[in-house]
Amino acid sequence: EVQLVESGGGLVQPGGSLRLSCAASGFTVSSNYMSWVRQAPGKGLEWVSVIYSGGSTYYADSVKGRFTISRDNSKNTLYLQMNSLRAEDTAVYYCARVESSYDAFDIWGQGTMVTVSS
Amino acid sequence: QSVLTQPPSVSGAPGQRVTISCTGSSSNIGAGYDVHWYQQLPGTAPKLLIYGNSNRPSGVPDRFSGSKSGTSASLAITGLQAEDEADYYCQSYDSSLSGPGVFGGGTKLTVL
Repeated sequence: EVQLVESGGGLVQPGGSLRLSCAASGFTVSSNYMSWVRQAPGKGLEWVSVIYSGGSTYYADSVKGRFTISRDNSKNTLYLQMNSLRAEDTAVYYCARVESSYDAFDIWGQGTMVTVSS
Repeated sequence: QSVLTQPPSVSGAPGQRVTISCTGSSSNIGAGYDVHWYQQLPGTAPKLLIYGNSNRPSGVPDRFSGSKSGTSASLAITGLQAEDEADYYCQSYDSSLSGPGVFGGGTKLTVL
């Protein structure tokens, strides 16, 4: 079964760091485009970052310089390292596979909640 | 303020037809980029509903359909059912931004 399972969310103080993980099954992370999308409480979806199969990475302006997307091919797992966290980063973070022919997010994880608060 | 504009809410009675619009510009939908639609049921992750403007993934009922014209796209739902009550998001690529795409602000569908 094709599946994504996120972990690593939690409560962190402003300025702190957190690393999210997204374990994939049923397909190979390194052969696909993979993304992180977040949703602040009561708000809409916001694309955060993408890593392409070739290794190129891109970020939304709101997280550029603070977040780093990466993958571990041996573990078939996607990561999001989040540094210098701010209150406005509070959200549910979803990992998603990007269907490369259409740039549509075709597989989503269940999400992990990140709360930035003192 | 999202690059793609959706109405905040729409509603309809069971059995009726509703449409949700997604209005963009010449740097996204109007430039010919595909539009995709997602359904997010309460408390769950989004699910791909329509891809490539009008294609349905396996398992999505044919009550859901998508179209695109000019700088706008629409999602139509016919034979409305109570289980369709959810948030719906459009997504497309925008040449002025990085990454695979930008989302609309979302539309809350209420089944009366």
